[in-house]
Order: sequence, then structure tokens, then C-alpha cells
Amino acid sequence: DTAVSQTPKYLVTQMGNDKSIKCEQNLGHDTMYWYKQDSKKFLKIMFSYNNKELIINETVPNRFSPKSPDKAHLNLHINSLELGDSAVYFCASSPSGQGRLGAFFGQGTRLTVV
Amino acid sequence: AQSVTQLGSHVSVSEGALVLLRCNYSSSVPPYLFWYVQYPNQGLQLLLKYTTGATLVKGINGFEAEFKKSETSFHLTKPSAHMSDAAEYFCAVSQDSNYQLIWGAGTKLIIKP
Repeated sequence: DTAVSQTPKYLVTQMGNDKSIKCEQNLGHDTMYWYKQDSKKFLKIMFSYNNKELIINETVPNRFSPKSPDKAHLNLHINSLELGDSAVYFCASSPSGQGRLGAFFGQGTRLTVV
Repeated sequence: AQSVTQLGSHVSVSEGALVLLRCNYSSSVPPYLFWYVQYPNQGLQLLLKYTTGATLVKGINGFEAEFKKSETSFHLTKPSAHMSDAAEYFCAVSQDSNYQLIWGAGTKLIIKP
């Protein structure tokens, strides 16, 4: 059973399009996250939700909007995609704050904007 | 502000040799410390973590790390490298149990046959 699953795994799309990435966790965790990993492997947290409530919202363009219909799901919608959005996006979850327990990561979604 | 420094973006060792990946952090209070591994085209997997107690922490796949407060370090070691250890390794730190981890830039471990 996959603990944190993301779909799709690969996403190739044209500039200006709108796309969504879905994430689900079956670990019963309260907190979920979206991370962006650039081509140099640098990780940056984008958003964090705790029990469907937005906790962390780093400096991310307004074109990125997370949505959490329930605490097991955290989707990422991206409007008007730009070339610079190309990256690997990771969903993660943790029992509570990841600061003490760490987080469990999905396999990633490789987004390529052409 | 907290920060994490991983010395060496690439580390190359021969198969069977000692693996040493360095991580130094800055924190005004005792931190929580983590090492994650990322295999090619995969997500990050928790290798080990230090929260409290014993400063030598053992993780999966034969890795261990030692928290040295005086040196503000949390270096990752493995006595004998295996080809399957080739991956990207990330050190992370948190000051408390809140929601944010501070990440290092990662070290790519290369294993030579």
C-alpha cells in the first residue's frame, strides 16, 4: 500500500495552461505539505496544511493554489504555467508538525512546461 | 535563523569504503535533526533522526549519525559503501515540533566500483 501517492508522475504541458496535481495519504496524518525541487535538487516548502487549514504559505506566486478537501488529500492547482515552473513537486505528510517527527514523501510529479 | 550546510555537493567513494557525509547546522536551541535519502527518480525517504537522548543514532541500510552539540554537526556515516547507496542525501533541521524543516542543499553520493 502506497503511503503518500501523487498523480500524475509525469506532466508535460504548454505555457499558459492550467494543471493540477493530486495527492493522497493513507497514513492518518494531520499535516500535509507541498515541496518544490528544482533542477539542482534544492528543496523548498511551498504550502502546509494541518487538518485542512493552511499553516505555511511561503512566497509562492498566486498562480499556485492548494486545496485540501479533507485531511487525507492535498491537491495543487497551477494556473497560467510558465517555463520556470518546471520542477519536481513533492507531496508529503506527517503525524503533526514535521519538525519533530519528519515527513513522509510521495514519489514526486515531474512537471515540464514547454 | 536556522540554516543547514552540507559540505560537498558531490562525494565519491569506492565500494567497500567508509561513507562520510557532512552536515552542520545553526540553531539557537537544541534542534531536531534528520537525514533523508533520495534515490534517482524517487521521493525522499527518512534515513534517521535525532530528537532527544542518545546522540548516536542508527538508521536504515546500515547508516548512522552522531549529534555533536559542541560542533553543531550531524554527520552521516556508513562503514562500508555499497553500490546501492548511490543517491542524493539531504540533511534537515528543525528548532521545534512546528511545521517547518530547514533543508540542506543535498550531497550526491557516488560509489565507484
